[in-house]
Amino acid sequence: QSALTQPRSVSGSPGQSVTISCTGTSSDVGGYNYVSWYQQHPGKAPKLMIYDVSKRPSGVPDRFSGSKSGNTASLTISGLQAEDEADYYCCSYAGSYTFVFGGGTKLTVL
Amino acid sequence: EVQLVESGGGVVRPGGSLRLSCAASGFTFDDYGMSWVRQAPGKGLEWVSGINWNGGSTGYADSVKGRFTISRDNAKNSLYLQMNSLRAEDTALYHCARDLSRYYKRGMDVWGQGTTVTVSS
Repeated sequence: QSALTQPRSVSGSPGQSVTISCTGTSSDVGGYNYVSWYQQHPGKAPKLMIYDVSKRPSGVPDRFSGSKSGNTASLTISGLQAEDEADYYCCSYAGSYTFVFGGGTKLTVL
Repeated sequence: EVQLVESGGGVVRPGGSLRLSCAASGFTFDDYGMSWVRQAPGKGLEWVSGINWNGGSTGYADSVKGRFTISRDNAKNSLYLQMNSLRAEDTALYHCARDLSRYYKRGMDVWGQGTTVTVSS
């Protein structure tokens, strides 16, 4: 159960696009289409942004999109807005009724 | 309103025990798998344990296996986490979270605000 690997930080200007990667193994990210992404603002509970690799819950803007290739999943945020500044975590089902999270990525909107 | 409210956190000495509870409301509790997720101060999210809709399947992170036990009481719309042999590294904010499915595989769409556990001598 090793944590998934995410960049510690990314940044972009308003209106630009950013992509956050999440690298695991064939036992987690690569083995299941159960990757989810969470947004967390300081002092707040996490919010589900993407599930099943690329599906958006109701109410999440379509500026947020997810994808996966092999053992790496990605979250892309297009048309960056100031309110997107937050920590982002990926998570994958890892078999045997276990999950694993990534270490988190701090998104800064310049 | 769909809601999860955790309780039971506190300060405990190393080696001690605590039982966390999570009260669910606003949805049909036994239609969903549930998880506990923790966040140490200044650190990232760590999945701790999960349980399917009827309690028949459970899973644990390696860091807590053998020390923590997850359970649920669907009649009381409640989720629990029994934590034994607590260590300093268990100090964290503990969230309960609802999965999108009965088998807690797909992602967690409802989160509680958390209850704080501090393990210190």
